[in-house]
This record gives sequence, structure tokens and C-alpha cells, in this order.
Amino acid sequence: EPEVTQTPSHQVTQMGQEVILRCVPISNHLYFYWYRQILGQKVEFLVSFYNNEISEKSEIFDDQFSVERPDGSNFTLKIRSTKLEDSAMYFCASSGRDSVYNEQFFGPGTRLTVL
Amino acid sequence: RKEVEQDPGPFNVPEGATVAFNCTYSNSASQSFFWYRQDCRKEPKLLMSVYSSGNEDGRFTAQLNRASQYISLLIRDSKLSDSATYLCVVTRPRGGNKLTFGTGTQLKVEL
Repeated sequence: EPEVTQTPSHQVTQMGQEVILRCVPISNHLYFYWYRQILGQKVEFLVSFYNNEISEKSEIFDDQFSVERPDGSNFTLKIRSTKLEDSAMYFCASSGRDSVYNEQFFGPGTRLTVL
Repeated sequence: RKEVEQDPGPFNVPEGATVAFNCTYSNSASQSFFWYRQDCRKEPKLLMSVYSSGNEDGRFTAQLNRASQYISLLIRDSKLSDSATYLCVVTRPRGGNKLTFGTGTQLKVEL
């Protein structure tokens, strides 16, 4: 069964450092998403991406964040200068079409720890 | 008011019990509704979509009441493996397909 994959599974970084989280969405999907979940809190939407551009972003997704689909298979989330409060689980998701009834499939997540 | 509200639980039930979870949402224009399941420190996994007429998938039944902005999930004959956090999720009416999650209801099924 096709699945979304993410690397690394755990990333530890120092405050102020740049991190890049990587995702490989399901191969025939066209819509891509990043969500995050701070420990003990709910899953929060960060950004959606379609046709090589951002469709929507949340207030969390400020200038420190960027997304890219560099090669047609990978989908990356970059945090330019990490803060302590960026520590969270980051989930990538993908879906096949922009129908509100369409399911989004989540990757296993990258646990980001900022020290 | 939170966009999606759920009782956090935990619900501790014996194996074989029937358990029901409720969820309310604040945006009356919300269009799609889902129940996701999340195991500890894992990704959310889609359990089932919720349709206006209600729908059933094996031991799981989901109901939607648009007038009351209320969604429910019923689990019959609960198994130990049903222990997880159940997330109520809604989408807005158009564009982007952003998922809005509730905080989840924790279920613990015990022997």
C-alpha cells in the first residue's frame, strides 16, 4: 500500500540553526501539507501546497518557514532559524485531489527537538 | 470558542463494551468531517469519513448532525487494540482542504 515517508524520524538541533525536514508524498498525489503537533497538544495546520505554490498557510507559518518541492518527488519544510517553541512533531500529508471529501494521508512524522 | 471541541477523556472501558465519543464544531459552513485515530507518538490515521446520512464500518458508526454541529463516533464490542486517541476533524467549505483537528478523546480498553 502506498504511503507517505518522512526523514529524519528525529532531528535534534541548536536554537538558531536551520533545519530541513523531508517528505516523500504518495506518488500520484498532487496536494501536499505540513502539520505540527506540540507534545500534548492538538495537530495544527501549517501549510498546503499545490502546483508548486503555497495554497494556504496558517499564522504559525511565518517568514522563518518555507516549503519546496525541488525534484517532483520530495516535499521539504525548512525552518531558517529554529526557536525552542518549534520543538514538535512535524507531519507531512498528501491527498489526491482538492475535493473536500478527499482523504489526507499522513507520514510517520519527524520529531524536532530544539535545544 | 474552539473550532472543534472534544471531551479529552480518558474513557476507560472493559473489553466488549460500547463507547461513544462526541464532537462539536463551530463553523456552520464546515463541509467535510472525519474521525482519525492516533496512537501514542504516531501519525493520525484516517478511521472513517462522516457522511450526512451517517455511516458504518464494521464496529464503528459515525453520525453527523449539521443542525446541532455535532459529530459522533460509536465503537461497539471494543477491543484492546482500539485503545488510542480519537481525533475529530473538519474541513472548511472551500479551498486548500486544510484539516482542523480537535484535541482528541483518549480511549483505554481494559481486560
